[in-house]
Amino acid sequence: DTGVSQDPRHKITKRGQNVTFRCDPISEHNRLYWYRQTLGQGPEFLTYFQNEAQLEKSRLLSDRFSAERPKGSFSTLEIQRTEQGDSAMYLCASSLGQRDFAKHTYNEQFFGPGTRLTVL
Amino acid sequence: DAKTTQPTSMDCAEGRAANLPCNHSTISGNEYVYWYRQIHSQGPQYIIHGLKNNETNEMASLIITEDRKSSTLILPHATLRDTAVYYCIVRFPAGGTSYGKLTFGQGTILTVHP
Repeated sequence: DTGVSQDPRHKITKRGQNVTFRCDPISEHNRLYWYRQTLGQGPEFLTYFQNEAQLEKSRLLSDRFSAERPKGSFSTLEIQRTEQGDSAMYLCASSLGQRDFAKHTYNEQFFGPGTRLTVL
Repeated sequence: DAKTTQPTSMDCAEGRAANLPCNHSTISGNEYVYWYRQIHSQGPQYIIHGLKNNETNEMASLIITEDRKSSTLILPHATLRDTAVYYCIVRFPAGGTSYGKLTFGQGTILTVHP
């Protein structure tokens, strides 16, 4: 399978615990995005990496959240001191970042299956 | 990115065309119209995008009005597997300081019936 993979697929934790999620993008994709999706809503942007550099962070990303992409390949998203409001689906997406001159856009984002977090 | 308005839900009979509308009256000249869909318990999937001209690919067709204030996604022969939430997104190309993040609304829940 050469798609975006995420691990774990499901995580149940108690309030106050720390959790870490992993995303493996499509190989050679230099752009990586994290989104969060709550029930009945569309995904919301959290943060973006180009290679190993974190270039944009949403205001949704409080100081309890940290994301890394140390070698420009896989990425991790850590939530410290989880709260019940953190319960959501966490989605990762990647794109090649290569310009399509015919379409004047960049390659589209491919999403992983997500990690569903439940905070009790 | 410009705001989009979509109907909350739509139904379609299997084998018939599904026409999903989207209003984006504040779209600017350089913004593209993108469509993604999300099947239950999966991540969103890219369908199609366009700027001014109508576009067609193996999944769907995109019709953009001449004033670009609205568009329609057409699934020509809907199947049960097309049941999903469909998102219409307007955004600038992902170049320069625009990193291509997607701003999703609530989308349209399309239910295809046998």
